Parts: sequence; C-alpha cells; structure tokens
Amino acid sequence: GNSVTQMEGPVTLSEEAFLTINCTYTATGYPSLFWYVQYPGEGLQLLLKATKADDKGSNKGFEATYRKETTSFHLEKGSVQVSDSAVYFCALSGGAGSYQLTFGKGTKLSVIP
Amino acid sequence: GAGVSQTPSNKVTEKGKYVELRCDPISGHTALYWYRQSLGQGPEFLIYFQGTGAADDSGLPNDRFFAVRPEGSVSTLKIQRTERGDSAVYLCASSLFAGANEQYFGPGTRLTVT
Repeated sequence: GNSVTQMEGPVTLSEEAFLTINCTYTATGYPSLFWYVQYPGEGLQLLLKATKADDKGSNKGFEATYRKETTSFHLEKGSVQVSDSAVYFCALSGGAGSYQLTFGKGTKLSVIP
Repeated sequence: GAGVSQTPSNKVTEKGKYVELRCDPISGHTALYWYRQSLGQGPEFLIYFQGTGAADDSGLPNDRFFAVRPEGSVSTLKIQRTERGDSAVYLCASSLFAGANEQYFGPGTRLTVT
C-alpha cells in the first residue's frame, strides 16, 4: 500500500535559517504529492502540491520538487520566519485509483527570533 | 465563502457510550472524507463518500464505526460502544469531486473517551 516517511522532529531553527524537511514515499502508479501545514490552534491547510514527476510546487517561499527517481518530495525554504512555526505534513493521494490522502507523521518546526 | 465545519468541536464521553460527529462540507463539493488524527501522528483515512454513497470505507477500524451522508451534503460519523482508544481528533475534508487534487479540511472534533 501507499506510505509516506518524513523527517522526525522537532526541528528548531533561528530566523532566516534555511529549512529542509525530508519526505520519501512508496506508492503504486503515479500519485500526487502534497505538503500540508497545521499552525497552532488551526486546521490543516494545503501548502503546496505537485501532480507529476519533476513538477515543482511552491507557495509562501516554500518549494518542493516531485522526484520520481528518488521517490522524494523534500520541503525547502530559503529563509524561515517566526510565523512559519507549525507542524508540516507530507502526503500523497492517487496512484492506484485511491483518492484519500496518506500522511506522514508530521514534523514540528519552531523558529526562534 | 464558508469552509468545512464540524460539530461539536469537543466531545467528552464515557466508555461504552454512543457518539455522533457531524461534518458540513463546502457547498458544491461532492466528495467528503473522514480522517482520524491521534496525538503526535498524521491523519489516518477512515472513509470517503462520492455523493451519497461510501466509495471506500477500508479505513474504518471495526464495525463500531459507521458513517452516512444521506443527501450528499452533511455527513455523520457514528461510533458505537466507544473505547478509550477511540480518543483522537476526527477530521473531515471535502473536495470538488473524488480525485480532485485539493482537499479542504475542517477544524476537527476532539473526542475524549473517559
């Protein structure tokens, strides 16, 4: 079945530091890949997505590239802000006619001034 | 416009009781999904509906869990004979149709079984 493995947290960075959160996946077929974010006290929000190999999703300074050869979708941001503190989830859907999302365990990011 | 809403936001119940959790999707969204999120984990799929029918219920953990969507809009997740292990945040999401790439999540219902 489908599965997602993402970097264990928590991650603590200073403001303006570079962020990478690793994500790898296992799926049959050609899944779509997502990063969701959960800010403190809020619901899950879609951060970015990519639907086919070599696509790059981007939003709010975050980027991730769909790498089929390494089955990865790492999240990056060049300069994090305190407001980026949240829990980040890598997820996939589709791949074998399944439309539900399969999530990783989440990575908690704390950015300190 | 209005997002996905879920009621109640919090529910505390005693072991063995029956509970109902409600989800109101975004208007016009035909697909509706239920997930369960335990502390420190990612959401896990339970069931999804396309219209009124359950298209995939493979994530329901056992026959104490049941969900309906009789008119293709609001959905109710029903849990019989609750157990302490059912304690979690229950999330609902909707999308324009099954297979649409973006699912919009509600704020969740935190269920605590004492």
